[in-house]
Amino acid sequence: GQNIDQPTEMTATEGAIVQINCTYQTSGFNGLFWYQQHAGEAPTFLSYNVLDGLEEKGRFSSFLSRSKGYSYLLLKELQMKDSASYLCAVMDSNYQLIWGAGTKLIIKP
Amino acid sequence: GAVVSQHPSWVICKSGTSVKIECRSLDFQATTMFWYRQFPKQSLMLMATSNEGSKATYEQGVEKDKFLINHASLTLSTLTVTSAHPEDSSFYICSAKGTSGRTHISDTQYFGPGTRLTVL
Repeated sequence: GQNIDQPTEMTATEGAIVQINCTYQTSGFNGLFWYQQHAGEAPTFLSYNVLDGLEEKGRFSSFLSRSKGYSYLLLKELQMKDSASYLCAVMDSNYQLIWGAGTKLIIKP
Repeated sequence: GAVVSQHPSWVICKSGTSVKIECRSLDFQATTMFWYRQFPKQSLMLMATSNEGSKATYEQGVEKDKFLINHASLTLSTLTVTSAHPEDSSFYICSAKGTSGRTHISDTQYFGPGTRLTVL
């Protein structure tokens, strides 16, 4: 079966760095997405990785290792507004998005 | 770019009535639109995938006669919840995938702001 695993909840301190991991087992791979979802709102697109390596976009970076079925989202200089759920999603061989359950990130002052 | 709108943002209706939710891609043509449902503190659940001009593909367990989807143009898809009941109360979110020649843009799903449905 297809499976996306990410931690349910993480806590970090304002100004710090946090890494949210995602491991996946899917039938085929056509890219991995990270989305941010604030409570009561729809997800917003953060990043897309299809090749191995690190993609940096401002305070957020996303890393992919296809051989390990592993990705992480790195958030630097955390701000209170970064408190949200972070969703990992993998596009399989049929170009279907398989969603993880999301990681709730709590930022403390 | 890649903006998706959804209307209405929230709706309250009586049990037994039907509710129509619209999803529009504002600045790109969406060959494929997706409808999701999300219950509080739970993950997104894909309900159906619709391609412009063809019938929607429903996920297992989703009643196609209850959740009617129409994708009449490259910028508009509608979801109609027929004979709504309190258990249909949820957050309904659409997303759209574009037709740009850049693979990244065409594979990325962009979400509408969601519609919160409350059935009394």
